[in-house]
Order: sequence, then C-alpha cells, then structure tokens
Amino acid sequence: GAGVSQSPRYKVAKRGQDVALRCDPISGHVSLFWYQQALGQGPEFLTYFQNEAQLDKSGLPSDRFFAERPEGSVSTLKIQRTQQEDSAVYLCASSLVRGVAHIQYFGAGTRLSVL
Amino acid sequence: SQQGEEDPQALSIQEGENATMNCSYKTSINNLQWYRQNSGRGLVHLILIRSNEREKHSGRLRVTLDTSKKSSSLLITASRAADTASYFCATDSSGGYQKVTFGTGTKLQVIP
Repeated sequence: GAGVSQSPRYKVAKRGQDVALRCDPISGHVSLFWYQQALGQGPEFLTYFQNEAQLDKSGLPSDRFFAERPEGSVSTLKIQRTQQEDSAVYLCASSLVRGVAHIQYFGAGTRLSVL
Repeated sequence: SQQGEEDPQALSIQEGENATMNCSYKTSINNLQWYRQNSGRGLVHLILIRSNEREKHSGRLRVTLDTSKKSSSLLITASRAADTASYFCATDSSGGYQKVTFGTGTKLQVIP
C-alpha cells in the first residue's frame, strides 16, 4: 500500500475488555515496530518484528500485552483485560532495512480510551 | 524510559522567524533522527545524521550533532504556519539493531 495503515483509528473499551489493534505495514518492509504514546509524550517502544520473528518485546508493559505478525506482513497488538492506564495512542511503524537503524514510516495510530 | 530530552518543551514564534530545538541524550549512538508529528497524526521522518557527521542540511532544515556533549539541534529557517507540530529526536544505541528511543518532544507553534 501507499503507507502504513492502522485500524481502528479510535477504540473505546470498558475496563476488563480485550482489544485488538491492527497494523498493515508498507508492502515489502521487513521491520515492524509498535509504540505507545501517552498524551504530551514521545512514543515509547513496545515491540519489534523482523519479518514474522518477534526479536524484541522488552517494552511490553505487562503480560496482558501480546503482539503477533504470523506471515511477516500484517501485525496485531492485543491487550487483554484492559486497564485505564492502557489509554494511549498506539503507533505502528515499518522500515525497509534490517540490522541498522533506518527511517521508520508511521501509521496514524489507534487512540485507545479505556473507561 | 525516554533517552532524549528536547528543549524547549514548547516554542511559539512568528511566521518567517527561525526555530531552534535541542535534544540531549544519554548513551553513545550510531545515528540520530528527527521526526515531526502533526496533531492527531503519526510521525514523519525529517532527517537522519550519523554519529560521524557534524552537520546536515535538508531544505529549510539544518541539524547539528555534538557527540562529545551528547546533543543535537534542529534549526528550521523561515518558518511557516504549516511547520506547527511537535518535533522529536530519536536515537539508536551503538550495537543496537534498529530500536530507536524517542525524546519527549518540542511543541512548535508558528503564528501566521
């Protein structure tokens, strides 16, 4: 596609609900990242995929957070039993190059509000 | 945790003036990047400077890097109202794969 696409753009969940956030990276991009951005802050790293392999999940805040990229393209970030502190914008980015830091292309994000 | 800190946190200038933002970071890096984020949107890459470079230009943007001081600056010349956005620096650690760590951002407002 032309850019990184994320869906839904907005999600309202009741506390305790499970949510799934989707990311469609740019076609052919090897690397995929998930970030969490709180209001007024910079993006915080959550996890990194190289193709279908999840190489780094050190940023996932708890075991309620789970990410997958089974075929090396589309990725899903799942949050189980959502809590109010999970409210944030979740950003997905993809990158063509692997192994060294390179330009990341971001989606518009999913704004999650947990009530 | 955020590796970089931008300074100032917020900046308001008149259209046509120059805007300077600074970024300080803590650990050795391979590269430093600057990104822009318009309200409610994703981040857009502006420029990348490698650790062995001291200055880089791209259009109205000028980036400097001082690895001895662990700091970088972004200068936007002849600012326009469309430059209104938040600006973030992002660093990758030496020996890292592609993981970058973003700073806290500078919110720039350009008044027409």
